[in-house]
Amino acid sequence: GAGVSQSPSNKVTEKGKDVELRCDPISGHTALYWYRQSLGQGLEFLIYFQGNSAPDKSGLPSDRFSAERTGGSVSTLTIQRTQQEDSAVYLCASSTRNGYTFGSGTRLTVV
Amino acid sequence: DQQVKQNSPSLSVQEGRISILNCDYTNSMFDYFLWYKKYPAEGPTFLISISSIKDKNEDGRFTVFLNKSAKHLSLHIVPSQPGDSAVYFCAAGGTSYGKLTFGQGTILTVHP
Repeated sequence: GAGVSQSPSNKVTEKGKDVELRCDPISGHTALYWYRQSLGQGLEFLIYFQGNSAPDKSGLPSDRFSAERTGGSVSTLTIQRTQQEDSAVYLCASSTRNGYTFGSGTRLTVV
Repeated sequence: DQQVKQNSPSLSVQEGRISILNCDYTNSMFDYFLWYKKYPAEGPTFLISISSIKDKNEDGRFTVFLNKSAKHLSLHIVPSQPGDSAVYFCAAGGTSYGKLTFGQGTILTVHP
């Protein structure tokens, strides 16, 4: 596709359940990022994939969060045993030397 | 540790006037600074950037100023238009396409 695609666009889940968020980057973009925006907060870096290098996981807030990128393309962010503080908009971006392109995000609400 | 800060959560200006959005940073290793604009239910979109070797970059109605000694950058929009109403994020990094650190965002409202 022409842009970065994220699914689902909205997800409501019960506290304690696991969720998976998907990101389909722009074809050919080797770098992929996950950020999240909590209410009233800026964009918080979570994880970064660059080609075949080991991912930079320095922004993951706890071991309940994990992400993988299969075949250098689609990425899945998994949150286990969700908590209410996980409620946020999760944004994926892919980049080339020309800069970032963000997806529209997944709004996660934990009730 | 907030390395990039936007201290004004919101800004309201009249159509046709200048909008000035400010951003401060603490990491002197940042080489690239960017502004993104975000509408509700959409992802942020790139607006304008500046590298650390410059102190000004202009693109149409948008100008970014960088003051390295003060670790401060600002975005000027002139003249402001109602369609400019959005959340504006500043961001900083080693390059324009690598890992970026974002500020908290400023909500700009331009009144007709």
